[in-house]
Amino acid sequence: GAGVSQSPRYKVAKRGQDVALRCDPISGHVSLFWYQQALGQGPEFLTYFQNEAQLDKSGLPSDRFFAERPEGSVSTLKIQRTQQEDSAVYLCASEGVSTDTQYFGPGTRLTVL
Amino acid sequence: SQQGEEDPQALSIQEGENATMNCSYKTSINNLQWYRQNSGRGLVHLILIRSNEREKHSGRLRVTLDTSKKSSSLLITASRAADTASYFCATNNAGNMLTFGGGTRLMVKP
Repeated sequence: GAGVSQSPRYKVAKRGQDVALRCDPISGHVSLFWYQQALGQGPEFLTYFQNEAQLDKSGLPSDRFFAERPEGSVSTLKIQRTQQEDSAVYLCASEGVSTDTQYFGPGTRLTVL
Repeated sequence: SQQGEEDPQALSIQEGENATMNCSYKTSINNLQWYRQNSGRGLVHLILIRSNEREKHSGRLRVTLDTSKKSSSLLITASRAADTASYFCATNNAGNMLTFGGGTRLMVKP
Protein backbone atom coordinates (compact mmCIF):
# COMPACT_ATOMS: atom_id res chain seq x y z
CA GLY A 1 0.00 0.00 0.00
CA ALA A 2 0.94 3.65 -0.15
CA GLY A 3 3.40 4.94 2.37
CA VAL A 4 3.54 8.25 4.17
CA SER A 5 3.56 11.18 1.77
CA GLN A 6 4.57 14.76 2.40
CA SER A 7 4.19 17.94 0.41
CA PRO A 8 5.81 20.02 -0.75
CA ARG A 9 9.11 18.15 -0.98
CA TYR A 10 11.03 21.42 -1.10
CA LYS A 11 10.05 24.85 0.13
CA VAL A 12 11.98 28.08 -0.03
CA ALA A 13 10.65 30.92 2.09
CA LYS A 14 11.79 34.44 2.75
CA ARG A 15 12.39 35.25 6.37
CA GLY A 16 9.15 36.35 7.95
CA GLN A 17 6.88 34.34 5.66
CA ASP A 18 4.45 31.74 6.95
CA VAL A 19 4.69 28.17 5.63
CA ALA A 20 2.44 25.12 5.82
CA LEU A 21 3.75 21.59 5.45
CA ARG A 22 1.41 18.68 4.79
CA CYS A 23 1.58 15.04 5.84
CA ASP A 24 -0.61 12.20 4.58
CA PRO A 25 -0.10 9.21 6.88
CA ILE A 26 -0.61 5.57 6.01
CA SER A 27 -4.33 4.90 5.88
CA GLY A 28 -5.67 3.70 9.22
CA HIS A 29 -2.63 4.73 11.23
CA VAL A 30 -3.75 6.27 14.49
CA SER A 31 -0.51 7.89 15.58
CA LEU A 32 1.27 10.68 13.72
CA PHE A 33 4.58 12.32 14.56
CA TRP A 34 6.51 15.34 13.32
CA TYR A 35 10.30 15.55 13.56
CA GLN A 36 12.81 18.23 12.59
CA GLN A 37 16.17 17.21 11.15
CA ALA A 38 18.96 19.75 10.89
CA LEU A 39 21.73 19.16 8.38
CA GLY A 40 24.09 16.41 9.48
CA GLN A 41 22.10 15.55 12.60
CA GLY A 42 19.51 13.03 13.68
CA PRO A 43 15.81 13.88 13.71
CA GLU A 44 14.38 15.60 16.77
CA PHE A 45 10.83 15.15 17.98
CA LEU A 46 8.40 18.03 17.56
CA THR A 47 4.89 16.80 18.26
CA TYR A 48 2.62 13.74 18.40
CA PHE A 49 -1.04 13.08 17.58
CA GLN A 50 -3.28 10.19 18.41
CA ASN A 51 -6.19 10.50 16.01
CA GLU A 52 -7.10 14.20 16.13
CA ALA A 53 -5.77 14.79 19.64
CA GLN A 54 -2.38 16.43 20.02
CA LEU A 55 -1.01 14.52 23.00
CA ASP A 56 2.52 15.87 23.09
CA LYS A 57 3.86 19.13 21.71
CA SER A 58 6.85 19.40 23.99
CA GLY A 59 9.31 19.45 21.10
CA LEU A 60 7.91 22.48 19.29
CA PRO A 61 10.74 25.03 19.51
CA SER A 62 8.59 28.14 19.80
CA ASP A 63 5.04 29.41 19.63
CA ARG A 64 5.64 30.13 15.95
CA PHE A 65 5.21 26.40 15.34
CA PHE A 66 1.71 24.98 15.24
CA ALA A 67 0.43 21.57 14.17
CA GLU A 68 -3.04 20.22 13.61
CA ARG A 69 -4.79 17.04 12.53
CA PRO A 70 -8.46 18.03 12.57
CA GLU A 71 -9.99 14.82 11.20
CA GLY A 72 -7.46 12.37 12.53
CA SER A 73 -5.84 11.75 9.17
CA VAL A 74 -3.94 14.46 7.27
CA SER A 75 -1.78 16.73 9.40
CA THR A 76 -0.37 20.19 8.76
CA LEU A 77 2.66 21.73 10.42
CA LYS A 78 2.57 25.50 10.21
CA ILE A 79 5.49 27.79 10.90
CA GLN A 80 4.74 31.47 11.26
CA ARG A 81 7.21 34.27 10.65
CA THR A 82 9.94 31.88 9.54
CA GLN A 83 13.50 32.45 10.69
CA GLN A 84 16.74 31.20 9.19
CA GLU A 85 17.19 28.74 12.05
CA ASP A 86 13.97 27.03 10.94
CA SER A 87 15.80 25.73 7.86
CA ALA A 88 15.75 21.95 8.16
CA VAL A 89 14.07 18.82 6.85
CA TYR A 90 10.67 18.24 8.44
CA LEU A 91 9.79 14.57 8.68
CA CYS A 92 6.39 13.08 9.32
CA ALA A 93 5.86 9.52 10.56
CA SER A 94 2.82 7.39 11.28
CA GLU A 95 2.33 4.31 13.39
CA GLY A 96 -0.44 1.74 13.49
CA VAL A 97 -2.23 0.37 16.53
CA SER A 98 -0.27 -2.07 18.72
CA THR A 99 2.97 -1.60 16.86
CA ASP A 100 6.11 0.29 17.85
CA THR A 101 7.32 0.91 14.31
CA GLN A 102 7.07 4.40 12.86
CA TYR A 103 6.99 4.76 9.08
CA PHE A 104 8.52 7.93 7.77
CA GLY A 105 7.67 10.09 4.80
CA PRO A 106 10.31 11.55 2.47
CA GLY A 107 10.35 14.86 4.33
CA THR A 108 9.99 18.49 3.35
CA ARG A 109 13.24 20.41 3.01
CA LEU A 110 12.61 23.98 4.16
CA THR A 111 15.11 26.69 3.33
CA VAL A 112 14.57 30.11 4.83
CA LEU A 113 16.49 32.91 3.12
CA SER B 1 18.39 17.14 22.69
CA GLN B 2 19.50 13.76 21.42
CA GLN B 3 19.68 10.74 23.63
CA GLY B 4 21.98 8.56 21.62
CA GLU B 5 25.53 8.79 20.48
CA GLU B 6 26.61 6.81 17.47
CA ASP B 7 30.14 5.64 16.96
CA PRO B 8 31.85 6.05 14.61
CA GLN B 9 30.41 9.20 13.05
CA ALA B 10 31.71 8.07 9.67
CA LEU B 11 32.85 4.71 8.32
CA SER B 12 34.34 3.82 4.94
CA ILE B 13 34.78 0.17 3.91
CA GLN B 14 35.18 -1.96 0.80
CA GLU B 15 32.32 -3.95 -0.65
CA GLY B 16 32.15 -7.37 0.94
CA GLU B 17 33.50 -6.24 4.29
CA ASN B 18 31.42 -6.10 7.45
CA ALA B 19 30.34 -2.79 8.98
CA THR B 20 29.76 -2.32 12.70
CA MET B 21 28.09 0.72 14.19
CA ASN B 22 27.57 1.38 17.87
CA CYS B 23 24.98 3.37 19.75
CA SER B 24 24.92 4.46 23.36
CA TYR B 25 21.97 5.99 25.18
CA LYS B 26 21.28 7.55 28.54
CA THR B 27 17.91 6.54 29.97
CA SER B 28 15.98 3.29 30.32
CA ILE B 29 14.14 2.20 27.19
CA ASN B 30 11.21 0.11 25.99
CA ASN B 31 12.90 -0.68 22.71
CA LEU B 32 15.68 0.47 20.40
CA GLN B 33 15.32 0.77 16.64
CA TRP B 34 17.74 1.23 13.77
CA TYR B 35 16.89 3.28 10.71
CA ARG B 36 18.67 3.93 7.40
CA GLN B 37 18.55 7.21 5.53
CA ASN B 38 19.80 7.66 2.01
CA SER B 39 20.87 11.13 1.00
CA GLY B 40 17.88 13.42 0.65
CA ARG B 41 15.39 10.68 1.44
CA GLY B 42 13.23 9.64 4.36
CA LEU B 43 14.09 7.15 7.07
CA VAL B 44 13.65 3.44 6.44
CA HIS B 45 13.02 1.19 9.41
CA LEU B 46 15.52 -1.67 9.63
CA ILE B 47 15.03 -3.51 12.87
CA LEU B 48 13.53 -3.18 16.35
CA ILE B 49 14.91 -4.83 19.47
CA ARG B 50 13.00 -4.80 22.73
CA SER B 51 14.55 -4.14 26.11
CA ASN B 52 14.21 -7.82 27.13
CA GLU B 53 15.99 -9.05 24.00
CA ARG B 54 19.74 -9.32 23.58
CA GLU B 55 20.19 -10.08 19.90
CA LYS B 56 18.14 -9.97 16.74
CA HIS B 57 18.79 -10.85 13.10
CA SER B 58 17.23 -9.72 9.87
CA GLY B 59 18.88 -10.81 6.64
CA ARG B 60 22.41 -9.39 6.65
CA LEU B 61 21.69 -7.31 9.75
CA ARG B 62 22.52 -8.29 13.29
CA VAL B 63 21.61 -6.09 16.24
CA THR B 64 22.69 -6.55 19.83
CA LEU B 65 21.45 -4.75 22.92
CA ASP B 66 23.17 -4.48 26.30
CA THR B 67 20.83 -2.67 28.67
CA SER B 68 23.37 -2.80 31.51
CA LYS B 69 25.77 -0.75 29.40
CA LYS B 70 23.00 1.18 27.67
CA SER B 71 24.44 0.34 24.30
CA SER B 72 23.55 -1.35 21.03
CA SER B 73 25.41 -2.37 17.93
CA LEU B 74 24.37 -2.87 14.32
CA LEU B 75 26.39 -5.24 12.18
CA ILE B 76 25.94 -5.32 8.42
CA THR B 77 27.61 -8.37 6.92
CA ALA B 78 28.94 -8.69 3.36
CA SER B 79 28.30 -5.02 2.65
CA ARG B 80 27.23 -3.76 -0.77
CA ALA B 81 27.59 -0.38 -2.42
CA ALA B 82 23.83 0.02 -2.01
CA ASP B 83 24.30 -0.03 1.78
CA THR B 84 25.90 3.43 1.54
CA ALA B 85 23.71 5.63 3.73
CA SER B 86 23.42 7.18 7.17
CA TYR B 87 22.34 4.85 9.96
CA PHE B 88 20.53 6.07 13.06
CA CYS B 89 19.63 4.39 16.30
CA ALA B 90 16.48 5.58 18.03
CA THR B 91 15.17 4.77 21.47
CA ASN B 92 11.58 4.54 22.59
CA ASN B 93 11.21 5.10 26.30
CA ALA B 94 8.38 6.46 28.36
CA GLY B 95 6.43 8.19 25.64
CA ASN B 96 5.63 7.28 22.06
CA MET B 97 8.24 9.49 20.45
CA LEU B 98 11.59 8.28 19.19
CA THR B 99 14.83 9.87 20.37
CA PHE B 100 17.53 9.63 17.72
CA GLY B 101 21.29 9.66 17.84
CA GLY B 102 23.46 11.70 15.53
CA GLY B 103 23.97 8.89 13.04
CA THR B 104 26.83 7.03 11.39
CA ARG B 105 27.60 7.85 7.76
CA LEU B 106 28.59 4.63 6.03
CA MET B 107 30.30 4.56 2.66
CA VAL B 108 30.78 1.23 0.92
CA LYS B 109 33.24 1.43 -1.94
CA PRO B 110 32.69 -0.88 -4.91
